[in-house]
Amino acid sequence: EVQLVESGGVVVQPGGSLRLSCAASGFTFDDYTMHWVRQAPGKGLEWVSLSSWDGVRTHYADSVKGRFTISRGNSKNSLYLQMNSLRTEDTALYYCAKALPARLYGMDVWGQGTTVTVSS
Amino acid sequence: QSVLTQPPSVSAAPGQKVTISCSGSSSNVGSNYVSWYQQFPGTAPKLLIYDNNKRPSGIPDRFSGSKSGTSATLGITGLQTGDEADYYCGTWDSSLSAGVFGGGTKLTVL
Repeated sequence: EVQLVESGGVVVQPGGSLRLSCAASGFTFDDYTMHWVRQAPGKGLEWVSLSSWDGVRTHYADSVKGRFTISRGNSKNSLYLQMNSLRTEDTALYYCAKALPARLYGMDVWGQGTTVTVSS
Repeated sequence: QSVLTQPPSVSAAPGQKVTISCSGSSSNVGSNYVSWYQQFPGTAPKLLIYDNNKRPSGIPDRFSGSKSGTSATLGITGLQTGDEADYYCGTWDSSLSAGVFGGGTKLTVL
């Protein structure tokens, strides 16, 4: 079964740091681009970042550029999101998502998400 | 303010057809594939349509997608109460070098 399981979401103070993880199983992880997408409480989906299969190509939303870093450990079938200088507006449910085959964008498998709360 | 524009809500009666629009620009919808996602409250999004008009395995043919210029449309026929959900369009924006989503449309089946 193809599965993505996120972890690492906690309550953190503004200005703090956090690292999210996404464990993948059921598919050849290093064949696919991977994404992080977030959803603030009661709001819509917001794309956050992507990593190409080899981690060489990464892209970020303007709202997180310079503060978040996406990385992957293909030997561990894992995707990561290092989040620094956190702001209250970063509070959201963070989803890990797998891209469609041979495509940069378009997500066909999603995890259940991990909740990040930035609050003093 | 989302880069892609969707109506906040649409509604129709069971058995009827509804369309949801997604308006963008030449740098996103106009030049890249559009995908559509369905999300029920408290659950993760689910891919409904990819590459503008293709359905993943398991998605019924009641769901369809189309694109013309800088606009895309999701169509749902034979509406069921179980289709009540939020629907999002998404694509890549070549100018921003970023993924973009619409603001989402809440479908109510009356």
